[in-house]
Amino acid sequence: SQQGEEDPQALSIQEGENATMNCSYKTSINNLQWYRQNSGRGLVHLILIRSNEREKHSGRLRVTLDTSKKSSSLLITASRAADTASYFCDKFFGNEKLTFGTGTRLTIIP
Amino acid sequence: GAVVSQHPSRVICKSGTSVKIECRSLDFQATTMFWYRQFPKQSLMLMATSNEGSKATYEQGVEKDKFLINHASLTLSTLTVTSAHPEDSSFYICSALEGGNTEAFFGQGTRLTVV
Repeated sequence: SQQGEEDPQALSIQEGENATMNCSYKTSINNLQWYRQNSGRGLVHLILIRSNEREKHSGRLRVTLDTSKKSSSLLITASRAADTASYFCDKFFGNEKLTFGTGTRLTIIP
Repeated sequence: GAVVSQHPSRVICKSGTSVKIECRSLDFQATTMFWYRQFPKQSLMLMATSNEGSKATYEQGVEKDKFLINHASLTLSTLTVTSAHPEDSSFYICSALEGGNTEAFFGQGTRLTVV
């Protein structure tokens, strides 16, 4: 498996602030996906960035990918209470398995 | 986007009984399906990978006789927890991958409680 690491493991910010979380990996990737998981619920796919892309936007989300540093970041702007969740990055290496790290637990304080 | 339906969303069963969880891809053919388990406040743990028409590949430490996986068609995979015990209580999630694509889509998850 190609499990990477999300950083930080936990993050608490005030509502309205921006939240940034990072993901690192060890080998080459085809693409990288970010997911959100609310407590006890299934994963929700947020955004996919391919290995030849450097940045993607989706609403209040911005994902960057630096293949030279083998890292990606997820930025949530103007955070809301509903953004409280765990966020995971998933690195898909073609035919290899999808595995996740421990994720970043984000808490938005009203 | 593609839809993966997982059923049931919640199930409570008695110790010693078996429980079947279904994972269906509704608008694509899933050549590969993954089954995960998640303990409270922990990350997802990959249990097994199933390819349509062949035996599932189990991760180390996962009992294949206890967690039976069947992927008989391109749209359906099932996970059967046999002779369930309270320690099997967990959140089980499937994901499905269409051959040639790189995006996998997740089911809504099943919360299993064994009493």
